[in-house]
Amino acid sequence: AQKITQTQPGMFVQEKEAVTLDCTYDTSDQSYGLFWYKQPSSGEMIFLIYQGSYDEQNATEGRYSLNFQKARKSANLVISASQLGDSAMYFCAMVPFGSSNTGKLIFGQGTTLQVKP
Amino acid sequence: GAVVSQHPSRVICKSGTSVKIECRSLDFQATTMFWYRQFPKQSLMLMATSNEGSKATYEQGVEKDKFLINHASLTLSTLTVTSAHPEDSSFYICSAATDRVGGNTIYFGEGSWLTVV
Repeated sequence: AQKITQTQPGMFVQEKEAVTLDCTYDTSDQSYGLFWYKQPSSGEMIFLIYQGSYDEQNATEGRYSLNFQKARKSANLVISASQLGDSAMYFCAMVPFGSSNTGKLIFGQGTTLQVKP
Repeated sequence: GAVVSQHPSRVICKSGTSVKIECRSLDFQATTMFWYRQFPKQSLMLMATSNEGSKATYEQGVEKDKFLINHASLTLSTLTVTSAHPEDSSFYICSAATDRVGGNTIYFGEGSWLTVV
C-alpha cells in the first residue's frame, strides 16, 4: 500500500530558528517522487521542494532542504531561519511512478507550523 | 513555469442547485487532471482522475453521479457538484502534471471554496 505519514499535527518554532517537519512514506515502487507543499490559509498549494527516489543528493531550495533517507523511507523537510510568513500547513506527498508519471499525489495528514515572533 | 488556473475561487450556492468548477492548464496540455477535496484542517483527498476524452476514474466512496467530471479538451477539466447539499461545502482543488521528466511536474490550481446554503 502507498502511504505518507506525518506524525506532527502541530509544531511551534521561534522566529529565525530552524525546524524539521517529519515525513515517512511507504511504497513498493522503486521509482517515485517526494514533494513538500505549503498551504496558507488562502488554500493555495505552494510547491516547496522535490526529491526523486534516484536522486543521490538531498534537494535544497533556498531555506528549504529535504533530508532524504531512502533506507528509512523518510523525507523530512528542514526550514532554516524561520520567518513569520512560514506559518501555514505543510504537506508531504508522494507520486509512485510505476510505469509512468501520472501525477497522482498521495498526501500525508499535514503539519500545522506556527512561527512565534 | 506551467500554470493551472481554477475558477471560481469562491462560490456560494443554494441547496439543491448545481455548481461547476473549471480547471485549466494555461501553457501545457494535460491528458490527465486530478480533483481533490479538502475539509478544514484536514489533508487533501483525491476524488477522481479526469482523463481527456474518456470517463473519469473515481476513488472509492466518491459518488460519480454527484460529482460529474468532464475533460473535454487537453486544457480543461470541469467538476460539477450536482444537487448540492450543505455537507458538500468544502475546498476543491485540481492539479495537472506535465510530461516533463524529473523535478516538479505537478501544478495546482488556486482552489475553489464551495459553500452550500
